[in-house]
Amino acid sequence: NAGVTQTPKFQVLKTGQSMTLQCAQDMNHNSMYWYRQDPGMGLRLIYYSASEGTTDKGEVPNGYNVSRLNKREFSLRLESAAPSQTSVYFCAALEFGTGLYEQYFGPGTRLTVT
Amino acid sequence: GNSVTQMEGPVTLSEEAFLTINCTYTATGYPSLFWYVQYPGEGLQLLLKATKADDKGSNKGFEATYRKETTSFHLEKGSVQVSDSAVYFCALSPFTGGGNKLTFGTGTQLKVEL
Repeated sequence: NAGVTQTPKFQVLKTGQSMTLQCAQDMNHNSMYWYRQDPGMGLRLIYYSASEGTTDKGEVPNGYNVSRLNKREFSLRLESAAPSQTSVYFCAALEFGTGLYEQYFGPGTRLTVT
Repeated sequence: GNSVTQMEGPVTLSEEAFLTINCTYTATGYPSLFWYVQYPGEGLQLLLKATKADDKGSNKGFEATYRKETTSFHLEKGSVQVSDSAVYFCALSPFTGGGNKLTFGTGTQLKVEL
């Protein structure tokens, strides 16, 4: 039981390049989230998916797109990377509506845009 | 909007010292409150939670009480260990009993020395 997995762990991009961050969970949870973590700013929500087939913007969605491929997988795409997107990206999963309150986080992807 | 304010770090303590990390929040209604911990190189893990006023969350010797009158959720531990060295995040969810759509504080780094 791996929980939440993210690939890749590290990535370096040049400005203008594109890439997709992958996230998968094996806990059969309905809701999934993408956050970015920057020094001195805590975690900020980029996008979330309350259930399969739905996605919504969070606090900082500009420059990103997401796809909820199925119940297990939730990907984050940077179409044209910018240095301001240098950050650590975390995916999380939550079972909502059954009295469970915990978001389970993946280990993170450290992205550098030069 | 919702916000969470944490004391700045790093906090450096000797082993067996008493720990307090302050957290105050701004939110309408009846939010749920959480403390997450991030060990070096890892994702966040839920440490404890409280879903209504006067609730006390506790886990691994850590405690925090949901104080609606002072809008606070301070984290305490009576005797810290070196293994407690990590970054601690206070967070809130706007939904009573819910753990989704979290707003995080900026995090407080704790270093425990022998």
